[in-house]
Amino acid sequence: DTGVSQNPRHKITKRGQNVTFRCDPISEHNRLYWYRQTLGQGPEFLTYFQNEAQLEKSRLLSDRFSAERPKGSFSTLEIQRTEQGDSAMYLCASSSRDRGSYEQYFGPGTRLTVT
Amino acid sequence: EDKVVQSPLSLVVHEGDTVTLNCSYEVTNFRSLLWYKQEKKAPTFLFMLTSSGIEKKSGRLSSILDKKELFSILNITATQTGDSAVYLCAVEAGGTSYGKLTFGQGTILTVHP
Repeated sequence: DTGVSQNPRHKITKRGQNVTFRCDPISEHNRLYWYRQTLGQGPEFLTYFQNEAQLEKSRLLSDRFSAERPKGSFSTLEIQRTEQGDSAMYLCASSSRDRGSYEQYFGPGTRLTVT
Repeated sequence: EDKVVQSPLSLVVHEGDTVTLNCSYEVTNFRSLLWYKQEKKAPTFLFMLTSSGIEKKSGRLSSILDKKELFSILNITATQTGDSAVYLCAVEAGGTSYGKLTFGQGTILTVHP
């Protein structure tokens, strides 16, 4: 399967714990995006990378959230001191500038439940 | 702040019906508008629209963009139960934020046999 993959698919954690999610983009896609989706809403942009550089972070991304893409391949999203409001689906997407467009392809998501 | 509004929020039809989903937007430095289909998993890409008045078509689905009136429509003809899903509209900003997508709330489409 050459699509975007995310691990774990589900995560249940207690409030106050730290969690880390991983995203492996489509091979050779230079852009990687993180979104958060809550029930009944569309995905909300969190941050994105071009290669290893983090180009933009949403103001939704509090200091408890950090993302890295150390070698311009996979990315990790860490949430420290989780809160119940962090419960959501965390989606990763990747894209490349083939044919002048940046169509984003999404992974299956990591569903986080904070108890 | 960029904004995308979809209507209706939900729609229930019978197989064979034709549906039209609406998306209006406000975005600084518009670059493109995208439609995605989301079942109980990640969104799957349907269309990317950049130019006004040019219809994009894939099977029973088609979409068109009006950059003057700032809206797009997604049409599905001869609906099937497999079309039941959430349809998401998103706009891509240009400039320094190009690539970043702002999504609407989605339209929940339910197709009954």
